[in-house]
Amino acid sequence: QQQVKQSPQSLIVQKGGISIINCAYENTAFDYFPWYQQFPGKGPALLIAIRPDVSEKKEGRFTISFNKSAKQFSLHIMDSQPGDSATYFCAASRTGNTPLVFGKGTRLSVIA
Amino acid sequence: DAGITQSPRHKVTETGTPVTLRCHQTENHRYMYWYRQDPGHGLRLIHYSYGVKDTDKGEVSDGYSVSRSKTEDFLLTLESATSSQTSVYFCAISLRDQGGDGYTFGSGTRLTVV
Repeated sequence: QQQVKQSPQSLIVQKGGISIINCAYENTAFDYFPWYQQFPGKGPALLIAIRPDVSEKKEGRFTISFNKSAKQFSLHIMDSQPGDSATYFCAASRTGNTPLVFGKGTRLSVIA
Repeated sequence: DAGITQSPRHKVTETGTPVTLRCHQTENHRYMYWYRQDPGHGLRLIHYSYGVKDTDKGEVSDGYSVSRSKTEDFLLTLESATSSQTSVYFCAISLRDQGGDGYTFGSGTRLTVV
């Protein structure tokens, strides 16, 4: 049973456009929702994270939108750049240091 | 980068042989994790540790064991390697026990079982 479902699997966006990646979760006990960015040959790196007490969090060009009632959250990348081309993973976990459960990833390609 | 290193970076091994991967951290974090990454499956948890000698199973633990005799080292052992264990293995530490956010991942070990 997949606890975090991520879509799409791959995404091609024009430079300057908006990239949107969506995730849905099932476990209502989840209360921490991070996004990770991974470049080829590297480990994933934390990009931005949100807790369910807010509906949106923005850091630079990256925004998480969170919908608790729908059990969904999404990553928006504004003004997408070729340097944003990477694989993005959403994840979720319960309070404390319970292990993160990851989505299957989205490969983003930003083309000029 | 939070002082986490994995070794080896690459390994080719034969079916049926035991293999041990090492994760080493220098910042005294309590929680450490082993994930495997495969195309179409994302990152799946193998085992994790919440302290010295304290470990628990993850989603895909069959065929793997772990040990943590010191805070800084978390070892993953494939008891008898199979081709299905060909994968990229990532170790991670949680920064949350020291007031930080999220995980820091190592650079990964690419394991090929032939």
